[in-house]
Amino acid sequence: GQNIDQPTEMTATEGAIVQINCTYQTSGFNGLFWYQQHAGEAPTFLSYNVLDGLEEKGRFSSFLSRSKGYSYLLLKELQMKDSASYLCAVRDRANAGNMLTFGGGTRLMVKP
Amino acid sequence: DADVTQTPRNRITKTGKRIMLECSQTKGHDRMYWYRQDPGLGLRLIYYSFDVKDINKGEISDGYSVSRQAQAKFSLSLESAIPNQTALYFCATSEVGFEQYFGPGTRLTVT
Repeated sequence: GQNIDQPTEMTATEGAIVQINCTYQTSGFNGLFWYQQHAGEAPTFLSYNVLDGLEEKGRFSSFLSRSKGYSYLLLKELQMKDSASYLCAVRDRANAGNMLTFGGGTRLMVKP
Repeated sequence: DADVTQTPRNRITKTGKRIMLECSQTKGHDRMYWYRQDPGLGLRLIYYSFDVKDINKGEISDGYSVSRQAQAKFSLSLESAIPNQTALYFCATSEVGFEQYFGPGTRLTVT
């Protein structure tokens, strides 16, 4: 099985930069996803990494190091609407059907 | 119109009752999933289906059953609801190898 760890909560200031870390242990790593979830709403896809390095999408970037079992999501120029939970999910070939396993999520609070 | 819809959006039921949660999608995806979400525990997979004839148990299938009536429809049933099944339930769909798209969720309370 997998073990996926993320901080439970983080607080940051509007306009700042925040980095949300995710560490994982898998036997057959096959990709890592980040999702954003506002309270009471559906998770929405943010980014996908399968090779080492940085993927940039506007204000959001995601980084992966497979050798370290480590990823981070970087949010720049924080806005109040970025207050949400951020879910890290790992796909593992060892899982039947190549299923995703989700971490517990990091609740980000952006303050004025 | 939403690509993935769930009904009902909220439901309160009593212990021992049978309840069905329904999911429909217009994305044309073959793969569909049911998850439950509890505070601090993230999303946990209950059942998944790769096509109408292929249904598989996930991490926490005990107490649940599913039916894939068509490519676009995937229902989750609780045969005899119990209080610890109180949770937020999400349906999701995907293409092979791509990200999952989630429905709006069903908030279920079992009293």
